[in-house]
Amino acid sequence: EIVLTQSPGTLSLSPGERATLSCRASQSVTSSYIAWYQQKPGQAPRLLIYASSSRAAGIPDRFSGSGSGTDFTLTISRLEPEDFAVYYCQHYGGSPPTLTFGGGTKVEIK
Amino acid sequence: QVQLQESGPGLVKPSETLSLTCTVSRLSINSGHYWGWIRQPPGKGLEWIGSIYNSGTTQYNPSLKSRVTISGDTSKNQFSLRVSSVTAADTAVYYCVGDSRITWYYYWGQGTLVTVSS
Repeated sequence: EIVLTQSPGTLSLSPGERATLSCRASQSVTSSYIAWYQQKPGQAPRLLIYASSSRAAGIPDRFSGSGSGTDFTLTISRLEPEDFAVYYCQHYGGSPPTLTFGGGTKVEIK
Repeated sequence: QVQLQESGPGLVKPSETLSLTCTVSRLSINSGHYWGWIRQPPGKGLEWIGSIYNSGTTQYNPSLKSRVTISGDTSKNQFSLRVSSVTAADTAVYYCVGDSRITWYYYWGQGTLVTVSS
């Protein structure tokens, strides 16, 4: 079973700052199967990044994803007020194939 | 724009079966997409329950497989979730989801809270 560990648990930043969120897999995974979601209170999650580094439709280019092997990163280049939310990484794979989420990182206003 | 809408009872008694339906608009569930369910206990993270493809092929989270059934109804363009023998641990917001790939989900319903309580 692949476990995804996200860090930090909470990130306190100011608008305009850069946010770097980490997602570490318990074993090496295919980067093609890594995704990132944003969830705001009371809303469903929204797909931000798929295949590790591709932006989903309508996602601003201040969001970017990178990584390989066991370490993946979501970067928000300049935080906008609407970016303060919880972010989840997600992987699909393993045997039997399972879709797994990390525990989430909350990006809060400092 | 594709829309997903969950429906079903908001309260289920312990040991009974939870049943939810997702109605898909503007896209056929037989269009080569994967449709699934994800849940989120209050204040906690996301858990994948399972998925269905072309109203037939299913995959389930191994931790829930013995209690879960996902099925499709092409005549109504809906797919459904059944979770048997529920306990308080099954209390969560349940989201129906979909995508052309099984590897992530672009389409999400708004979610529906199901509480397990007597």
